[in-house]
Amino acid sequence: EVQLVESGGGLVQPGRSLRLSCTASGFTFGDDAMNWVRQAPGKGLEWVGFIRSKAYGGTTEYAASVKGRFTISRDDSKSIAYLQMNSLKIEDTAVYYCTGGAEYYFDYWGQGTLVTVSS
Amino acid sequence: QSVLTQPPSVSAAPGQKVTISCSGSSSNIGNNYVSWYQQLPGTAPKLLIYDNNKRPSGIPDRFSGSKSGTSATLGITGLQTGDEADYYCGTWDSSLSAGHVVFGGGTQLTVL
Repeated sequence: EVQLVESGGGLVQPGRSLRLSCTASGFTFGDDAMNWVRQAPGKGLEWVGFIRSKAYGGTTEYAASVKGRFTISRDDSKSIAYLQMNSLKIEDTAVYYCTGGAEYYFDYWGQGTLVTVSS
Repeated sequence: QSVLTQPPSVSAAPGQKVTISCSGSSSNIGNNYVSWYQQLPGTAPKLLIYDNNKRPSGIPDRFSGSKSGTSATLGITGLQTGDEADYYCGTWDSSLSAGHVVFGGGTQLTVL
């Protein structure tokens, strides 16, 4: 059974940093791109970014709204993807989902972790 | 304002059919595959359709997808109360120097 479990969410002040983790099981983690998608309270889905598999260079792409502030990385030996979030803004408040699959569609989803940016 | 345009809400009676539209442009839907997601209340989204019209294993054939030009459509037949959810379309967009994924604003389905 495929499982993605996010962790690391919580309350953080504007301007501070937070790192989310996504622990995967039940599929060949290293073969898949890993994406992060967020959903602000009561709003729709917003793509954050992805990291390609090592076979495709392990490169990353980001949404304009987070580029330069957020960094996605992966540790294939541990089947974990990370989302490092720096210079957090109030508008970054959202449930953050880790997803796996292709670069442009999302087969597997975690349960999400809530990040609240507030003073 | 979402790059892809969906109706905010649709409704239909149990057993009936409903369609949800997703409109984009040549930089996204017109030249890329479309996927569809179902988000039941309080849960994570689930993939329903990928590559315009393919269903992952376990998704019933009551759900179908199609694409024509710069628009895509999700169809649901034999509506059930359990289908009440928000539905999102998504695709790749190549309008910027680096491509990115875009979603529609979501459509809330009510089964009357």
